[in-house]
Amino acid sequence: KNQVEQSPQSLIILEGKNCTLQCNYTVSPFSNLRWYKQDTGRGPVSLTIMTFSENTKSNGRYTATLDADTKQSSLHITASQLSDSASYICVVSDLYGNNRLAFGKGNQVVVIP
Amino acid sequence: DSGVTQTPKHLITATGQRVTLRCSPRSGDLSVYWYQQSLDQGLQFLIQYYNGEERAKGNILERFSAQQFPDLHSELNLSSLELGDSALYFCASSVGVGVSYNSPLHFGNGTRLTVT
Repeated sequence: KNQVEQSPQSLIILEGKNCTLQCNYTVSPFSNLRWYKQDTGRGPVSLTIMTFSENTKSNGRYTATLDADTKQSSLHITASQLSDSASYICVVSDLYGNNRLAFGKGNQVVVIP
Repeated sequence: DSGVTQTPKHLITATGQRVTLRCSPRSGDLSVYWYQQSLDQGLQFLIQYYNGEERAKGNILERFSAQQFPDLHSELNLSSLELGDSALYFCASSVGVGVSYNSPLHFGNGTRLTVT
């Protein structure tokens, strides 16, 4: 079973609307959680990172939240733009040597005009 | 621009063939990671090198091998290719031996491999 589950797998939203992506993980002991944005045909780019002591982090119109007790994170996109069309990948790091990474399969977001 | 360079961008080859993918890490980064991303699948970790030495191994097939050279660039060799090897192959780099809060992964833009 994948240690990081993301939902919804894909969604279509109208330009200007908001959306929220979910990430549930079972990685333990937890070190940190990153959200990456992957444009089609490009490599993932880090958006936010949070440790267990941080429960919210913003990067422009992107706001990530973390509940380390329930092992859940969300990424909220505000006032979506066409350029937000991408896959958003949740990556969780553990505290073992080399901070091993567990990747979610991504949330595929399509923003339409 | 992440600073990680991967070549070639696209590769089309036939089953049974062998190919080599190349990666130059970001300046100053000592670790190189290789990932495979198949259609509708998440990034699958293959292997990591740190300063020329193999550091960690993931789901890498025996038909695949990699190395990191003294100038820190890395090559991923894929042999006896099968149709199922068609995927995006990403290289990533980080400063230290592992990934941490202040030492994230920086990804290249990948090599798209198509096996026909």
